[in-house]
Amino acid sequence: AQSVSQHNHHVILSEAASLELGCNYSYGGTVNLFWYVQYPGQHLQLLLKYFSGDPLVKGIKGFEAEFIKSKFSFNLRKPSVQWSDTAEYFCAVNALYNDMRFGAGTRLTVKP
Amino acid sequence: DVKVTQSSRYLVKRTGEKVFLECVQDMDHENMFWYRQDPGLGLRLIYFSYDVKMKEKGDIPEGYSVSREKKERFSLILESASTNQTSMYLCASSLLGQGGNSPLHFGNGTRLTVT
Repeated sequence: AQSVSQHNHHVILSEAASLELGCNYSYGGTVNLFWYVQYPGQHLQLLLKYFSGDPLVKGIKGFEAEFIKSKFSFNLRKPSVQWSDTAEYFCAVNALYNDMRFGAGTRLTVKP
Repeated sequence: DVKVTQSSRYLVKRTGEKVFLECVQDMDHENMFWYRQDPGLGLRLIYFSYDVKMKEKGDIPEGYSVSREKKERFSLILESASTNQTSMYLCASSLLGQGGNSPLHFGNGTRLTVT
């Protein structure tokens, strides 16, 4: 089965700083890639997804992610974070059989 | 909007008890999933189901079983609860989709404590 690695466990930024969260996956075939976000006390929700086509995908709240097939990576970016972006972020990979696998998550703390 | 409802938000059980966690979705999704979420480990897939009466093991099925008698309902069963099953349990659903391109819709989770 596919697996996912998120290298940053906890990231602390000041407001207006730029964000990049790393995600690498291992799977030899075609994959579908996702980023989910979990705000404090809330359920996980979809931030953005990549299926095919343009490797740079845009999601909600100004987030974007770039799929680099040669590096098996799908890093999440945001040019300028806000205090309200404080949350836990999960990268996820789905292969052919809909059994989605998640990374360990990255906790983002944005200082006002 | 998709609604995935988990029957309990918090649950406290004793070691050895049989525990049922219930999940219902209202959008006629074919796929349903059970994950457990632990700090530093992310979400780990326990079981999933493509259709009624069908089930597939995920990465950590030991000590768990599931039941899907109706399309909208997916139950997770801990046959004999143990303290290492203390965790947050998340249910999710998705459309069958094509080649795994359907995002998951999550419930609010059940925080289970086994004492």
